[in-house]
Amino acid sequence: DAKTTQPTSMDCAEGRAANLPCNHSTISGNEYVYWYRQIHSQGPQYIIHGLKNNETNEMASLIITEDRKSSTLILPHATLRDTAVYYCIVRADQTGANNLFFGTGTRLTVIP
Amino acid sequence: DAGVTQSPTHLIKTRGQHVTLRCSPISGHKSVSWYQQVLGQGPQFIFQYYEKEERGRGNFPDRFSARQFPNYSSELNVNALLLGDSALYLCASSLVGGSSYEQYFGPGTRLTVT
Repeated sequence: DAKTTQPTSMDCAEGRAANLPCNHSTISGNEYVYWYRQIHSQGPQYIIHGLKNNETNEMASLIITEDRKSSTLILPHATLRDTAVYYCIVRADQTGANNLFFGTGTRLTVIP
Repeated sequence: DAGVTQSPTHLIKTRGQHVTLRCSPISGHKSVSWYQQVLGQGPQFIFQYYEKEERGRGNFPDRFSARQFPNYSSELNVNALLLGDSALYLCASSLVGGSSYEQYFGPGTRLTVT
C-alpha cells in the first residue's frame, strides 16, 4: 500500500471549511484513497473514499488531483464536534483482506 | 442497532500475564479485525477474521492470537505480556471481508501492563 503524508496538525474556525491535505505520490492505479477520523477516546470512523473522481457525502467532500498524487478532504462547515485526528489511507481493494494501514494523521482543532 | 461492542473497557495486567479481549460485531457482519493503538500513533493492524478463518495478519509476534466464533464474535489473546503491549485495542467489523471502506470500529479496550 502506498505511503501517505499529512500535516501533523491544523486549526480551523468554527463554521468555516476545513481543508485537510494528503500526499500520496506513489499511489498505484488500483489504489483507493480513504479517509477516517478518530475523535478522542473513540474508535476510528469512516468518512469517505474515492478512486479518481471527486466524491461527496453527508459528512465531507473528497477532491483528488488529476494525477492522483494528492487529495484534500473538505469539511464544508466545521463544528466543534469535528475536532479529531483525520487519517488518509491509500490501499487497493483486495478480496478477503480489509486491513487498514493508518499513519499518524492530522490533528484538526476547530476553534470557537 | 447496536454498534461494535468490546469488553472489558479497561484492564490492568502485570508483565508475564495473559489477557483475553472480546469483541461483538454489528449484527450481520461476518468480518472482524483487530488493531493496536499505542499512545500518539495511529492504529496498527493485528488480525482479520472472516467467516471464522484468519484472512490477514499484521507484523505482531506469536504471543498474539485470535479466533472467531460461530456467532462471529471474536477474542484477541495476548500471552506473556510486556510493558510495550500497553495500548488501546480496537475491534472493527464489516459486512464482507473485502470491503475495507466500511469498517465500523468499537470504542476499544484500554490495556495497561505494569
